[in-house]
Amino acid sequence: GQSLEQPSEVTAVEGAIVQINCTYQTSGFYGLSWYQQHDGGAPTFLSYNALDGLEETGRFSSFLSRSDSYGYLLLQELQMKDSASYFCAVRNSGAGSYQLTFGKGTKLSVIP
Amino acid sequence: DVKVTQSSRYLVKRTGEKVFLECVQDMDHENMFWYRQDPGLGLRLIYFSYDVKMKEKGDIPEGYSVSREKKERFSLILESASTNQTSMYLCASSRPGSDWSSYEQYFGPGTRLTVT
Repeated sequence: GQSLEQPSEVTAVEGAIVQINCTYQTSGFYGLSWYQQHDGGAPTFLSYNALDGLEETGRFSSFLSRSDSYGYLLLQELQMKDSASYFCAVRNSGAGSYQLTFGKGTKLSVIP
Repeated sequence: DVKVTQSSRYLVKRTGEKVFLECVQDMDHENMFWYRQDPGLGLRLIYFSYDVKMKEKGDIPEGYSVSREKKERFSLILESASTNQTSMYLCASSRPGSDWSSYEQYFGPGTRLTVT
């Protein structure tokens, strides 16, 4: 089966940088993705890493180390609107398997 | 603009009632999913479907069934609602494929179901 571990809560100051870590255990691995969910809203896709290294999209970056079964989401120049829950997710192995297994989420609070 | 819609934002039902939650997507996606979300537990997969009339159990299928008669519509059925099924239910869809696009699931706004 699959399991993912991420911190339950993180607090950071506006304008700062914050890193949200995710470690995973899977029987097969196709890649790691990240989703953002504001309170009362639907999860929205942020990023995806299939290979080791850093992927950058604006203020957000995502990193993957397959050998360490570890990834992180890096948020720079934090804004108040970044206050949300962030979920890492892995795709299950097996041909034609498109289901994702999500972590329990990290609630990020950005304070002035 | 891509869109996944769910039939109700809020729903209150009584124990033992049969409950239908409807989800419609307009992106011609093959894959559709039903999750429930509870505080501290994240998103847990109930069922998913990768084609019309095809379905597979997720991690927590007990007490639920699904129906996919048309590509754009995926229904979640609670045969006899119980209080432990009080939760937020989220529907999602995605394209098939081996590239990053298959990782991007599009979510509906959710249905908050209360069973009393």
